[in-house]
This record gives sequence, structure tokens and C-alpha cells, in this order.
Amino acid sequence: DGGITQSPKYLFRKEGQNVTLSCEQNLNHDAMYWYRQDPGQGLRLIYYSQIVNDFQKGDIAEGYSVSREKKESFPLTVTSAQKNPTAFYLCASRGTDSNQPQHFGDGTRLSIL
Amino acid sequence: EDQVTQSPEALRLQEGESSSLNCSYTVSGLRGLFWYRQDPGKGPEFLFTLYSAGEEKEKERLKATLTKKESFLHITAPKPEDSATYLCAVTTSGSARQLTFGSGTQLTVLP
Repeated sequence: DGGITQSPKYLFRKEGQNVTLSCEQNLNHDAMYWYRQDPGQGLRLIYYSQIVNDFQKGDIAEGYSVSREKKESFPLTVTSAQKNPTAFYLCASRGTDSNQPQHFGDGTRLSIL
Repeated sequence: EDQVTQSPEALRLQEGESSSLNCSYTVSGLRGLFWYRQDPGKGPEFLFTLYSAGEEKEKERLKATLTKKESFLHITAPKPEDSATYLCAVTTSGSARQLTFGSGTQLTVLP
């Protein structure tokens, strides 16, 4: 079945540590996105990529980094510079037409130890 | 700045009690309005896309409508399995590649 796989489901970060969240899709979508969701809030865009080897900052990119070396993969690194990383992180992808809906993975919940 | 506001924040219904969720938007140049359903601990699941005022889409007990200022998600005779958070999001002429989300309505349907 085609879809988006995020791993791990739960992740714990120690102070000063960088952690990487995985996102893989087999939908053959060009565009991929990372969002952060905090309790009672909507999704906020961290980074997005329209094509391999290219990505743009979203509204809350500070303290995060991404790479897009393969069409299927869009990993997100939460760096030690992100002072409040505890949140639910969602990855999404979309086809070429911007009128198409984004499809989401089932998220990674990141907590601070 | 594009803004999307959803109301109410939370809604409790008895099984079979129909109601509507609201999504109002202030954007320049709406391209599309999207409704998603999100279950706890899961990613949002796509429901509908609406493109122009007057458009309606239906799926089982759900019906989405769109005006020039807002969208409604009507739930007819809801069942407990309809309990979830419903999110709406928009794309605009200025940011066609990005979704701007509202904060969602948490719906609870009691048996």
C-alpha cells in the first residue's frame, strides 16, 4: 500500500542532543513537508521541499534542519538550538498539482528527558 | 497575513444529534479549502477539498460547504466513531504550495 512512514513513533531527547526524525513516502510525490503540532494548536510549517536537493524554510524553521537527497525521503533534524522541542511532528507529501491535498504520516512524538 | 479560525474549539453531541463546525478565513486569493479528520496520536486524514463559493461535497454523514468567508462541516446523525478533531486548512494565491491550518474543533459524540 502506498503511504507515508514516520519513525520512530516516540523519541526522547537529552539536553544538548540533536535527534533526527525519519519520513519516507512511496507515493511518488515531489513535494514533502514537516509540521509541528502543539496541544490545542493547528499545524505549523517547519520546512518544505518541492524537489530533490531543494528545500525552503517555513514559519518556524529556527532550531531545525532538513535534507532531501532522495525523492522518497525527507528527514528532519531537531538541533540543540531548538529550546522547546517537545511536540508532535508530522510529515506530509503531495503530488505535483498544488490543488491536490497533502497526505500525512502518523507522526513522531518528541519529548525531553 | 492569512488567518484561519475554527469554532467551536470543542463540541459534545449525543449520538444522532446533528450539528455544524465552522471554519472562517481571512486570506488574499483563496485557491482551495481542505478539511481533515485527526484521531488522537495519528496524522490528519484528508476528507474534502472545496475550491469556489457555493461548492458542496459529501461523504457518508459529512457535508462540507463553502462561502466567500467561511466553510461549514455539517455532521448529520453522528455516531461515536465520528469523534475526532476536525481541521481545516487553506491554500492561497500567495502561497499555493503551503497549507495554513486552523486550530481545529474537537468533536465528541456520546452514545
